[in-house]
Amino acid sequence: DTGVSQDPRHKITKRGQNVTFRCDPISEHNRLYWYRQTLGQGPEFLTYFQNEAQLEKSRLLSDRFSAERPKGSFSTLEIQRTEQGDSAMYLCASSLAANYGYTFGSGTRLTVV
Amino acid sequence: KNEVEQSPQNLTAQEGEFITINCSYSVGISALHWLQQHPGGGIVSLFMLSSGKKKHGRLIATINIQEKHSSLHITASHPRDSAVYICAASPNTGNQFYFGTGTSLTVIP
Repeated sequence: DTGVSQDPRHKITKRGQNVTFRCDPISEHNRLYWYRQTLGQGPEFLTYFQNEAQLEKSRLLSDRFSAERPKGSFSTLEIQRTEQGDSAMYLCASSLAANYGYTFGSGTRLTVV
Repeated sequence: KNEVEQSPQNLTAQEGEFITINCSYSVGISALHWLQQHPGGGIVSLFMLSSGKKKHGRLIATINIQEKHSSLHITASHPRDSAVYICAASPNTGNQFYFGTGTSLTVIP
């Protein structure tokens, strides 16, 4: 296990389609975070899991967005009925516990056309 | 007003120069992180600080808790240091980072 893996690296989709991204955290990390980053901006928090429990969701996460971490290992982030404003880099990070170091994945770049 | 402010937003340096990037934050924190993001998007965690100073190779990070200020220094800069450097604060409460908007560094040979 060499780090946090995200799949796919790039996704181009037509407006209105659904997309799903996957994040595989470092295996012993029980905390998993999703962030969204638009061009020229710092990442924005979307949601956070501790094991399989989704403990916090940002107001940015509209009802078109859903995230799961069913077995407390990998996580998926689904966007339904994509809009052009959803175009961004979606970053996943994991951590062993609060105040431990965080490891980020390489991100999934979504382009909605 | 953002919880985390970084300066400068953009920085161009000649190879070999000493570089400083500044970060100020307005929330109580448990830790302050410096991250590096290369073109293509992947983020690498450089430092996590709660006090004092840390050094890794040519990179040095300092934090002044009383002044709510941190700096990232790069000594003997090199073109491969060209990246976006992001300051992020882990607040005392809550489970998320507050991110600065990043400093885009270009080191010219």
